[in-house]
Amino acid sequence: DTGVSQDPRHKITKRGQNVTFRCDPISEHNRLYWYRQTLGQGPEFLTYFQNEAQLEKSRLLSDRFSAERPKGSFSTLEIQRTEQGDSAMYLCASSLGQSKSSYEQYFGPGTRLTVT
Amino acid sequence: DAKTTQPTSMDCAEGRAANLPCNHSTISGNEYVYWYRQIHSQGPQYIIHGLKNNETNEMASLIITEDRKSSTLILPHATLRDTAVYYCIVRAGAGSYQLTFGKGTKLSVIP
Repeated sequence: DTGVSQDPRHKITKRGQNVTFRCDPISEHNRLYWYRQTLGQGPEFLTYFQNEAQLEKSRLLSDRFSAERPKGSFSTLEIQRTEQGDSAMYLCASSLGQSKSSYEQYFGPGTRLTVT
Repeated sequence: DAKTTQPTSMDCAEGRAANLPCNHSTISGNEYVYWYRQIHSQGPQYIIHGLKNNETNEMASLIITEDRKSSTLILPHATLRDTAVYYCIVRAGAGSYQLTFGKGTKLSVIP
């Protein structure tokens, strides 16, 4: 099964390096979301895909961040020239594309990024 | 988005009902109330949602006041595994499917 998977689970990188995270959603889900969570805070929305189209991006998503979802299946989130402030848990979620049920988002375990 | 207000933390004895309140006094008529929880080091988990009527599923019950300005999530028989941060969320703006999380309520179930 099934659930949303994310890889890697943990990533330690040096400031200035680029990192890429992968998310595999639940197979029949056409909507995919990325969130970021810092210590003691709730998750913050970053971006949203419907199939392969990126339909919404938060102002939190600076130019150093880019997300893709080729072929509407898995998604990648890349951070270029990482900064210490990028240290956080990056969460991926997916949902079915049907009105109210689209709010039932299923989350993966997250990728914890530490920038040193 | 309608904003929500939740207590920072609550304790509940194991086996007792846990009642988690949420205030959403600026909620609009077509906005749903959703509850998610996040167990330590895991991603958030959907619990339940509702519009006007009370709702119940295998995990919890959701009681929404008649004026819809507040709601209560009820875990009928709390267990140690229910220790988590509980988030009350009201639907994001028109055309958006993002979830807007606050800081939530840290529920500690005590043996």
